[in-house]
Amino acid sequence: GENVEQHPSTLSVQEGDSAVIKCTYSDSASNYFPWYKQELGKRPQLIIDIRSNVGEKKDQRIAVTLNKTAKHFSLHITETQPEDSAVYFCAASRDTGRRALTFGSGTRLQVQP
Amino acid sequence: GAVVSQHPSRVICKSGTSVKIECRSLDFQATTMFWYRQFPKQSLMLMATSNEGSKATYEQGVEKDKFLINHASLTLSTLTVTSAHPEDSSFYICSARMGLAGGPAGELFFGEGSRLTVL
Repeated sequence: GENVEQHPSTLSVQEGDSAVIKCTYSDSASNYFPWYKQELGKRPQLIIDIRSNVGEKKDQRIAVTLNKTAKHFSLHITETQPEDSAVYFCAASRDTGRRALTFGSGTRLQVQP
Repeated sequence: GAVVSQHPSRVICKSGTSVKIECRSLDFQATTMFWYRQFPKQSLMLMATSNEGSKATYEQGVEKDKFLINHASLTLSTLTVTSAHPEDSSFYICSARMGLAGGPAGELFFGEGSRLTVL
């Protein structure tokens, strides 16, 4: 099955700085890579996703890059704000409705005001 | 966006009792739903895949007789934790993806989660 590794486990940045979280996956057939943000005690919320037919996707301050050859993908948050503080999870799966996502271990991001 | 609703959000029970958690897709039909478990400060671990009209598929190490899953309709899946023990205390989250089997899948939507505490 799929195995997703995520680094770092914790990340502290100053407000306005950039934050980068990296993930690797093992299943070369995986082609869907979402990122979720989870606040304490709440459900994960999708913030951005990418499919393997593209190498980069951007949505305002958030971007995701994908390197299929190396089997890794990264989340980039620019101009961080205190409200970005949360736990972020990467995930991977084959892109069909019947496939569950395999999640990384999570990154606790702390944005210092 | 699509909504997945989960109930109850919190439940406290005595050791040895059973607890049922419901997961509903409110505005789309979900032939497949997924049940995850999340321990404090840990990741979401897939427990089982719930298929409408057929038996659930359990992940390795998850006891199917302890975690009963029923997916009787296209909008409802239930997870019953039988004979619960304190080590079963966790955050249980259901989820569903839009899209048809064999075709490109959409976003995975999560329920609100159910925090189970077994005394």
